[in-house]
Amino acid sequence: GEDVEQSLFLSVREGDSSVINCTYTDSSSTYLYWYKQEPGAGLQLLTYIFSNMDMKQDQRLTVLLNKKDKHLSLRIADTQTGDSAIYFCAESTGAAGNKLTFGGGTRVLVKP
Amino acid sequence: NAGVTQTPKFQVLKTGQSMTLQCAQDMNHEYMSWYRQDPGMGLRLIHYSVGAGITDQGEVPNGYNVSRSTTEDFPLRLLSAAPSQTSVYFCASSPYESSYNEQFFGPGTRLTVL
Repeated sequence: GEDVEQSLFLSVREGDSSVINCTYTDSSSTYLYWYKQEPGAGLQLLTYIFSNMDMKQDQRLTVLLNKKDKHLSLRIADTQTGDSAIYFCAESTGAAGNKLTFGGGTRVLVKP
Repeated sequence: NAGVTQTPKFQVLKTGQSMTLQCAQDMNHEYMSWYRQDPGMGLRLIHYSVGAGITDQGEVPNGYNVSRSTTEDFPLRLLSAAPSQTSVYFCASSPYESSYNEQFFGPGTRLTVL
């Protein structure tokens, strides 16, 4: 079956690093994603990683993938107040990989 | 491009009423889907479509119908609303085959069933 789990809440001080963790169960997922949802808005793709990669860096974002443990993490360096949002981990499923299974979301609160 | 648009933004229904949530995209994407978002549960897939005339069920399809007569539109119908369908509904689209299958989400419809 497919199940994606995340912690519910993370509080961090402005300027510190944030690390959001996620575990997933479907080892056949081609891509894993991090989506960001700001209050009252839809989801926006933040970053993604192909399943044969261990790490991906994109400016302040670092994604780490441990396929053996089915563990995905997102590190945000120099966290800003604009990073306060809900972050969703998702894995791709389905024949063409378009179907997404989402985690419950981690609410990140950045304190000044 | 307007991207993915959804109407209405807010809706209140009484139990047993029917309504249609509208979704449209102008990016010529083949794949469209409907999710519902409930607190602490992330987004759950209701129905999806891989192209005009083709639809299929997702994880939580009961109580919802869809159709896909055009590439652009993918309406979601509630035939007889129930309080358990109180949720925020998101429509999304993506090219059927792309390098990483980014999904583009609409702004959502917040539905309350009394």
